Formats: sequence, structure tokens, C-alpha cells
Amino acid sequence: QKEVEQNSGPLSVPEGAIASLNCTYSDRGSQSFFWYRQYSGKSPELIMFIYSNGDKEDGRFTAQLNKASQYVSLLIRDSQPSDSATYLCAVNSGYSSASKIIFGSGTRLSIRP
Amino acid sequence: ETGVTQSPTHLIKTRGQQVTLRCSSQSGHNTVSWYQQALGQGPQFIFQYYREEENGRGNFPPRFSGLQFPNYSSELNVNALELDDSALYLCASSTHPGQGANEQFFGPGTRLTVL
Repeated sequence: QKEVEQNSGPLSVPEGAIASLNCTYSDRGSQSFFWYRQYSGKSPELIMFIYSNGDKEDGRFTAQLNKASQYVSLLIRDSQPSDSATYLCAVNSGYSSASKIIFGSGTRLSIRP
Repeated sequence: ETGVTQSPTHLIKTRGQQVTLRCSSQSGHNTVSWYQQALGQGPQFIFQYYREEENGRGNFPPRFSGLQFPNYSSELNVNALELDDSALYLCASSTHPGQGANEQFFGPGTRLTVL
């Protein structure tokens, strides 16, 4: 079992709709959770982080965390073509003092006009 | 722009050679982590440096080594290069190594090709 799992996609969403990206993780001790956006040929860009169960909203983005189900998601409202990218879910391992962040393989999101 | 810089941007080496990659962390950040990202995969944690000491390591062999300097910049050294070492190498800086509020900000990466 992979430590952080994401559907590789591609996920195709019409412009203006809600894109929903999902991620599951295996380490119950994980404490912090991140979503990165990565455009082709570029480095990952942090867009959201969440530490507590529930929802966290930032503009068009909402991160949702359910530690009991070991599940974290990212919702993108009013999707724009510029949102087309690979979205990486990352989890901060909970058993070490080092911030060893484990990444999923990413979900490719395509926003169609 | 995150304020994290890396050099060089691209590098071509042959199998068996050695390579050094460099990273300057964002102002105010004392922790640097290095990642390897193969095509189509997420970044894989190599190791982290905090206050010039290695502070955690992923599943990479000893031929991957690093340094952190007093100004918190860092180097990644890879000896005896193998074809599978071809990847994008990313460094990320953060304000501390702890488990809590520890957002990491990535540099633009170094694309290494091993022939």
C-alpha cells in the first residue's frame, strides 16, 4: 500500500464547475496535510495546508480533512483553464522530528472551456 | 516566486560521474529538504538539513549526501551516477523542521540527465 494515494487522472472538468480532488494516506500519526499545484516543467507550488479535521477555505479553494477516514480532499470552485495542472497531495509524517513530507503521485486536472 | 533558488537549472552527466547541486533557502528559513522527482511521479524525500546537521533521511543510498552551510544554503552531492538518477531535483525551505506549521516552499529545481 502506498503511503499517500491519489487517482492519477486525468480529471476533466468544465470551466466554471467544481473540481474535486481526493487523497488517502496510511500513517495515522500524520499531523499536517498539504496540496501543491505543479504546472508542467515547473516546481510544486503550495496552495493549501490543513491540520485540523473539517474544512478550510481560501478563495476558490477548500481543503477538507477527515483523520478518522485518513482522507483529505481539495475542492476548486469556479474552475478556470489556468487551474489545469497536476495537484499533489502531501502528508507530513507523524513519527519523526524531521518534516519528512510524503507526496502522492499527483492527479492531473484539465479544465475544458 | 518563493525566494528559493537552485543552480544549475539543467545538467547532463554520464554514468559513474559525480554531481553537486546547490540551493539557497528563502530568507528567514533555516531548514532545507531535498527531493527527487522522476517523470510522472511525486517528489521523493531524500533528506533534510536543519542548522547544518542532517535531520532525517528517506530511502536513498549513501552515495546521496548533502551539506548545509551557516547561511542555510545547501548542497546535494550524488556520487557514481546511475541512469535512474535522471530526474528533477527539488529543494524546499521552511522555517523549522517540526511537525506542525511547516509549510515548505520549493525552488525551481535542477533537471539532471544521466547518459
